[in-house]
Amino acid sequence: SYELTQPPSVSVSPGQTARITCSGDALSKKYAYWYQQKSGQAPVLVIYDDRKRPSEIPERFSGSSAGTMATLTISGAQVDDEADYHCYSTDISGNLWVFGGGTKLTVL
Amino acid sequence: EVQLVQSGAEVKKSGESLKISCKGLGYRFSRHWIGWVRQIPGKGLEWMGVIYPGDSDTRYSPAFQGHVTISADKSISTAYLQWSSLKASDTAIYYCARCPEGALSGFDSWGQGTLLTVSS
Repeated sequence: SYELTQPPSVSVSPGQTARITCSGDALSKKYAYWYQQKSGQAPVLVIYDDRKRPSEIPERFSGSSAGTMATLTISGAQVDDEADYHCYSTDISGNLWVFGGGTKLTVL
Repeated sequence: EVQLVQSGAEVKKSGESLKISCKGLGYRFSRHWIGWVRQIPGKGLEWMGVIYPGDSDTRYSPAFQGHVTISADKSISTAYLQWSSLKASDTAIYYCARCPEGALSGFDSWGQGTLLTVSS
């Protein structure tokens, strides 16, 4: 089996920088993806291939990866960014994909 | 515009069978891996498996292998997730999601979800 580990919760004040981490043994060789999921809604892709951002996602969302840890950074977090954030990647074989446990971001 | 349109909510009893669907619109269905993700209410996302409609190549998570079947009919751009014998623990929201063209990678588009309630 393969696991990705995220902190259960992160809390920041509006305008501060939020950082959510995701650790996994294969992340040094495999890309990480990040999804935002607001209450009662389907997930939305916010970062792909470690650091790329879909065109419709605000610039304050960025991603990075170093060693076995990927990080989602929200610069100048807004109340509207409150959501669960899930990282996603694959094991070294590329056949087993997993999500992290999810991180609840609170902005208040 | 890419859309994944899922079938409606279901209420079933333990032991019954079920097949839910996911129709892909606005793109070449056969060229994109499509997957299924489970979310038990209040919990995280779980990857169940994926299928490549072009040749029906299918991969399963060990946690779901043998309990569900993933299939696709490329002639009608529809993927399916089915159970032959439901359990109360299958109660969850099930999402379908699409990968970028030709690549088994992160999902770039999601369906709206199908809520399944299984009573014992």
